[in-house]
Amino acid sequence: QKEVEQNSGPLSVPEGAIASLNCTYSDRGSQSFFWYRQYSGKSPELIMFIYSNGDKEDGRFTAQLNKASQYVSLLIRDSQPSDSATYLCAVRPGGKLIFGQGTELSVKP
Amino acid sequence: DTAVSQTPKYLVTQMGNDKSIKCEQNLGHDTMYWYKQDSKKFLKIMFSYNNKELIINETVPNRFSPKSPDKAHLNLHINSLELGDSAVYFCASSHGTGPDEQYFGPGTRLTVT
Repeated sequence: QKEVEQNSGPLSVPEGAIASLNCTYSDRGSQSFFWYRQYSGKSPELIMFIYSNGDKEDGRFTAQLNKASQYVSLLIRDSQPSDSATYLCAVRPGGKLIFGQGTELSVKP
Repeated sequence: DTAVSQTPKYLVTQMGNDKSIKCEQNLGHDTMYWYKQDSKKFLKIMFSYNNKELIINETVPNRFSPKSPDKAHLNLHINSLELGDSAVYFCASSHGTGPDEQYFGPGTRLTVT
């Protein structure tokens, strides 16, 4: 079992829809969780982090964490074509970030 | 500009050669990292330095040797390059070793032929 798992996609949604990206992790001791966005040929950039169970909202983005289920998700409301990218889930069980393989999101106009 | 910078951006070389990638950050961060991203976009940490001290050393071949002359610089030297070393290498930095945001450099695309 991989330490951090994501559906590689591609996930295709129409413009204006809600995109839902999911991630599961294996280490129950993980305390901090991150979502990075990576455009093709570019470096990852942090868009959300969450430490506590529940929801955390920032603009069109909502991160959801359920530690009991070892599950973290990212919702993107009112998806735009500019949101088309690979979304990397990262988990920090100790001193290092462990990344999932990323989910490719395509938002169609 | 405040950022994490890497040189070179592209590196094409032959098997068996030795090459170095340089990284510099002017964010005043204490911790720097090297990551490798393979062709399937899987991003994996290789090394981490905090104030010039090695704190994370993943199961990376001995051919890879990081060097941190000061806390603003972290270089990666690779000996006897192999085809499987072809990947994008990202440098990153963060303020501390805790759950702080990591800022990534633009990446170095290494192609070994």
